Amino acid sequence: GAGVSQTPSNKVTEKGKYVELRCDPISGHTALYWYRQSLGQGPEFLIYFQGTGAADDSGLPNDRFFAVRPEGSVSTLKIQRTERGDSAVYLCASSPFVPRTLNSGTYEQYFGPGTRLTVT
Amino acid sequence: GESVGLHLPTLSVQEGDNSIINCAYSNSASDYFIWYKQESGKGPQFIIDIRSNMDKRQGQRVTVLLNKTVKHLSLQIAATQPGDSAVYFCAERVITGRRALTFGSGTRLQVQP
Repeated sequence: GAGVSQTPSNKVTEKGKYVELRCDPISGHTALYWYRQSLGQGPEFLIYFQGTGAADDSGLPNDRFFAVRPEGSVSTLKIQRTERGDSAVYLCASSPFVPRTLNSGTYEQYFGPGTRLTVT
Repeated sequence: GESVGLHLPTLSVQEGDNSIINCAYSNSASDYFIWYKQESGKGPQFIIDIRSNMDKRQGQRVTVLLNKTVKHLSLQIAATQPGDSAVYFCAERVITGRRALTFGSGTRLQVQP
């Protein structure tokens, strides 16, 4: 079946501009995550949605970053007044809801291909 | 385009050899671990996971070992193939805690034909 998709695949913007990055999760997955990956590093958590609500936004670096998931499916990551330091690959992941029991299930997160954001 | 892992530790092996990639994790409370493979220009791809109530788990050509005493995780790839060339990340979480995964810094595996 279809995996997680992200658009655009590449985005170049000027410093100070506003950008929106879109994520289409796997159909039926209730959990959606945004991560940011800088060159040579592992992904870093930004925000997690369970359904429509942001259950954990502790990874957002500052108030220029905001994300929504109004219908519990597609999500948009919004960055205001972009800075050169925002340049990175923004990854989206989704997963089905799994109860927090130790002895069953997998907590795998399925990643999309990412959006490479370059702020000039 | 840019390549993931330009400044990462690199493990170079010959095709057909076994590879061992190591990871030291940070949180002693973590009880779930995943290995991901990431090829250039792509998102991380799940390889195998393991829970803290196990110390070894095997998949197809891969084995993950967990040593909770020293907070160490390893990924063994048998009969390494050129298609295994990628950056490998371990990730951890506490099942009853935050759902976010915490990723390690990664290792680039280069398979020489």
